[in-house]
Amino acid sequence: GAVVSQHPSRVICKSGTSVKIECRSLDFQATTMFWYRQFPKKSLMLMATSNEGSKATYEQGVEKDKFLINHASLTLSTLTVTSAHPEDSSFYICSAGGTRTAENYGYTFGSGTRLTVV
Amino acid sequence: AQTVTQSQPEMSVQEAETVTLSCTYDTSESNYYLFWYKQPPSRQMILVIRQEAYKQQNATENRFSVNFQKAAKSFSLKISDSQLGDTAMYFCAFMKFQGGSEKLVFGKGTKLTVNP
Repeated sequence: GAVVSQHPSRVICKSGTSVKIECRSLDFQATTMFWYRQFPKKSLMLMATSNEGSKATYEQGVEKDKFLINHASLTLSTLTVTSAHPEDSSFYICSAGGTRTAENYGYTFGSGTRLTVV
Repeated sequence: AQTVTQSQPEMSVQEAETVTLSCTYDTSESNYYLFWYKQPPSRQMILVIRQEAYKQQNATENRFSVNFQKAAKSFSLKISDSQLGDTAMYFCAFMKFQGGSEKLVFGKGTKLTVNP
């Protein structure tokens, strides 16, 4: 089945620094990738949608200059949290979708990244 | 805009028994997909079951089955012979066709605990 690898699983960074999270589709080409943020005991909040080779589409209220998304290839998307602050601490999850076949509906999720900003 | 409502924040069930999780949604679309995802304590999101709106037959996957009522916009998940490993957050999700960038709209989730 489709596998999405997300790294790192945990990261602790100092306030003011930047952190990059990678999401790779291992056995399929991900034309679209989604980035979510999840607060404790809450549902997933979509942050942005990225399509390979084009700019990401951000959801309302998400700062595009703080959360930089790059989808340079069909197997890799990155989320960079710039100038991180403690309020950016959260669980970030990516999901990937390939071509529009029935098997690809129901996107495959990465294992998530717990970001702690100190 | 589509909305997904899960009215049961928490549920519990005894091992080997059956439990049903509720989900309702609101949409004006006629062609869409519905999903149930499981998020165990590891926080890995796992697809449990998928239903295409144009199919009248309810989807089943081993111990998991759905009751899809399109007119009522209801999509409940039944877990039979509950196992301890079923303990997790369960999210109902909706997806419409949106020109190649289909978004998932999630409900708030139901925390299911299976007791020994």
